Amino acid sequence: AQTVTQSQPEMSVQEAETVTLSCTYDTSESDYYLFWYKQPPSRQMILVIRQEAYKQQNATENRFSVNFQKAAKSFSLKISDSQLGDAAMYFCASRGGSQGNLIFGKGTKLSVKP
Amino acid sequence: DADVTQTPRNRITKTGKRIMLECSQTKGHDRMYWYRQDPGLGLRLIYYSFDVKDINKGEISDGYSVSRQAQAKFSLSLESAIPNQTALYFCATSDFRDGTYEQYFGPGTRLTVT
Repeated sequence: AQTVTQSQPEMSVQEAETVTLSCTYDTSESDYYLFWYKQPPSRQMILVIRQEAYKQQNATENRFSVNFQKAAKSFSLKISDSQLGDAAMYFCASRGGSQGNLIFGKGTKLSVKP
Repeated sequence: DADVTQTPRNRITKTGKRIMLECSQTKGHDRMYWYRQDPGLGLRLIYYSFDVKDINKGEISDGYSVSRQAQAKFSLSLESAIPNQTALYFCATSDFRDGTYEQYFGPGTRLTVT
């Protein structure tokens, strides 16, 4: 079975600093996608960034970037120049087989201190 | 207007009652999913549907049923609600043709069973 593990239940970062959220996964798929979703207090699930496993280059979206280590099955999210609006739950997820559903980690709650 | 809508947004019900959560989408996607979110557990798959005639159980389907009334509508029913079904419920859609299996989430329904 596919699994996604987020080992940091909570993290804190100072405004304007950089923080890295960790995620490891296990999959038997040869072709897969990995995602980071943000869930602010409004509870809406918002896609932050997506990584295609066959691409060597790490994905980047503005202040958000990933460190994708395929052999180690690691997919960490780096947030640069943290802003107060970045405070949220962050979920790592992998695509779960042919049915296309996502397998989610348990989440990391990020706090941003002014 | 939102592409994926859920009704109701919040609901309090009593043990033993039947309740239906509704999901509609205007994205034209073929695949629809129901997830449940519990604190500290992330999101878990309840049911998914590839089209009106193709409905499948997910990881935690016991106590739930679904109906795909049309490509755009996917309802989740709790036949006899129990307190441990208190959770945040998300509907999501994806497009098989997209190839990335990115999921688009509704705003969620907060369900409380007393």
